[in-house]
Amino acid sequence: EAGVAQSPRYKIIEKRQSVAFWCNPISGHATLYWYQQILGQGPKLLIQFQNNGVVDDSQLPKDRFSAERLKGVDSTLKIQPAKLEDSAVYLCASSLDGGRLDTQYFGPGTRLTVL
Amino acid sequence: SQQGEEDPQALSIQEGENATMNCSYKTSINNLQWYRQNSGRGLVHLILIRSNEREKHSGRLRVTLDTSKKSSSLLITASRAADTASYFCATDPSGGYNKLIFGAGTRLAVHP
Repeated sequence: EAGVAQSPRYKIIEKRQSVAFWCNPISGHATLYWYQQILGQGPKLLIQFQNNGVVDDSQLPKDRFSAERLKGVDSTLKIQPAKLEDSAVYLCASSLDGGRLDTQYFGPGTRLTVL
Repeated sequence: SQQGEEDPQALSIQEGENATMNCSYKTSINNLQWYRQNSGRGLVHLILIRSNEREKHSGRLRVTLDTSKKSSSLLITASRAADTASYFCATDPSGGYNKLIFGAGTRLAVHP
C-alpha cells in the first residue's frame, strides 16, 4: 500500500516570499491533516479536513496560511508571505475516517527554511 | 498548545537494556497514542491505548495509562540500536475528532 506522499521534500525561501506544499493521502482515506513541527518540538495540528470540508483550523494562522482539499483527495498548504518563524517541517497525515480509534499515517514531510 | 509533556527529554542506554519514557497530560482524553520519529522512517504510529484501558502490549512495547494521574508510560524492553529515535505521546482530547496533541518528545539513543 502506498503511503502518504508529500512534495517538495525541501524548500528554502526568503522571508516575505510565498510557498506551497502538496500532499497526496493514502487512497481511500477521508481525513487529512497538516501539522507544523518546529525543531525540538512535537507536531502541532494546523488544519484537519474530512473529505473536502474543514473540521478544525483553530491553530492555522489564517492571515498568512491557507489550505485546500479540492475533490476530497490531495491537498495544498500555502504560506503567503513567509516569516522566519515559519521555518519548520510540515507534515501531512491521513486516516481512514477520523474516528476516535483511527490511526494517522504520516508522510515524510517538507522541510522549510525561511531566510 | 502542547498538552503532553514527556520525561525525560533525553535518554541514553546500552543495547539490551530497557527504556522507560513518561508522559503527562492536562485534560480528559479519548485515547493516548505513542509515535516514533527517526530520519529514516518519519513519524510512525506505535500503539494506542483507550481511556478505559490500563495497560497494553505490542511486541517489545508496554504502555500503561493512569487517567487519575493523567499520565502514561512507554516501556521498550531489550532495546536495540534500531530503536534510536524520538518518541512522542499524543492525546486525543475528549470531545474532539481524532485531533492529536503531541508532546515535545523523548530522544532515545541506544548504543551498541
